[in-house]
Amino acid sequence: EAGVVQSPRYKIIEKKQPVAFWCNPISGHNTLYWYRQNLGQGPELLIRYENEEAVDDSQLPKDRFSAERLKGVDSTLKIQPAELGDSAVYLCASSFPTGGRGNTIYFGEGSWLTVV
Amino acid sequence: DQQVKQNSPSLSVQEGRISILNCDYTNSMFDYFLWYKKYPAEGPTFLISISSIKDKNEDGRFTVFLNKSAKHLSLHIVPSQPGDSAVYFCAASAVYGQNFVFGPGTRLSVLP
Repeated sequence: EAGVVQSPRYKIIEKKQPVAFWCNPISGHNTLYWYRQNLGQGPELLIRYENEEAVDDSQLPKDRFSAERLKGVDSTLKIQPAELGDSAVYLCASSFPTGGRGNTIYFGEGSWLTVV
Repeated sequence: DQQVKQNSPSLSVQEGRISILNCDYTNSMFDYFLWYKKYPAEGPTFLISISSIKDKNEDGRFTVFLNKSAKHLSLHIVPSQPGDSAVYFCAASAVYGQNFVFGPGTRLSVLP
């Protein structure tokens, strides 16, 4: 079974430029997450989708970040314009909600962004 | 305000010995916990979980212990192998919650 697929793996852009990351979750997983991981820190949630609905985007910096999950499968995370502080690994993850305890989230390999 | 803490940034252990990685949390609503392992340039991979109805869960060489009164959990790896060298993250979720809060990670080095 294919895991969570992300692209691109690596991206270097100049500040003020836009960038977009794509994620394809595990088949059948209707919950999709975008996390950001800074160097030396744990992943921090940016947004969580249940199907196509963003149910928690409280940590998403909405002035420059946007996300969409059309048709409740693939998702795109966009940054426009990028700032130096956006350099990080952007992790996509998915899960199949069990309605209670026992939920496990599975991560992709991440998209490594460097803003210069 | 870190809700999940891993106070040891790094740990070195001799091959064959036990590795103990610790995690503390502050939110009493957390009742489901996961451990992840992360190799360089890869995404975190799921290792083992535990819910608050248990105080221990075991899977092969990996055992997680939960002390709810102390808001503390630990991951034991026995015996440790060089391939276990990675960064280990503890993550916590509230009842029926979908959002996991991660600790900052502990880098484990298993020396041959």
